[in-house]
Amino acid sequence: KAGVTQTPRYLIKTRGQQVTLSCSPISGHRSVSWYQQTPGQGLQFLFEYFSETQRNKGNFPGRFSGRQFSNSRSEMNVSTLELGDSALYLCASSSAAIQETQYFGPGTRLLVL
Amino acid sequence: EDQVTQSPEALRLQEGESSSLNCSYTVSGLRGLFWYRQDPGKGPEFLFTLYSAGEEKEKERLKATLTKKESFLHITAPKPEDSATYLCAWGGSNYKLTFGKGTLLTVNP
Repeated sequence: KAGVTQTPRYLIKTRGQQVTLSCSPISGHRSVSWYQQTPGQGLQFLFEYFSETQRNKGNFPGRFSGRQFSNSRSEMNVSTLELGDSALYLCASSSAAIQETQYFGPGTRLLVL
Repeated sequence: EDQVTQSPEALRLQEGESSSLNCSYTVSGLRGLFWYRQDPGKGPEFLFTLYSAGEEKEKERLKATLTKKESFLHITAPKPEDSATYLCAWGGSNYKLTFGKGTLLTVNP
């Protein structure tokens, strides 16, 4: 089975721009979660989607948004980028029971200049 | 506030020198305790899931155990390729994982 894929793998943006990241889950997985990883804060939960519905959201500003499509693929968007948004953005998929194992993709490395 | 704390922050071992990593949690409603391994520049790789106190799981040189408030990852006779950051995470009923900051393990040949 193919793993979780994320595109693009690397991005460089400037402050004020917006960015869209994409995630394709493992085949058959209907839950997709997004996390931000930085050296200082570690892995922090952004949001989780199941069947195109957001079921939970972390403590991030409204500039961070996401969506899920009918084929379970997901995108996250960050508008008005700030320097502090530089991070590794990780997507994880699971089979969607309340607490099943989440499998992570390789991440998208975002650098904001 | 739900918290997951890992110790030590960093651990340096000689090849073959066994040790343990600790993950303690102050959470309500534990539904799963997860261990991951992360290599630099890569996403976390799943290792184990533990659901109830007393449960143990093994994979090669790694063994994970769970009590009511802690989990341990025991590494027996480690090799240099075991060098990585080991992350533990708590899963509740709210569809998210709460991660600790990780333990950076270095195994010298």
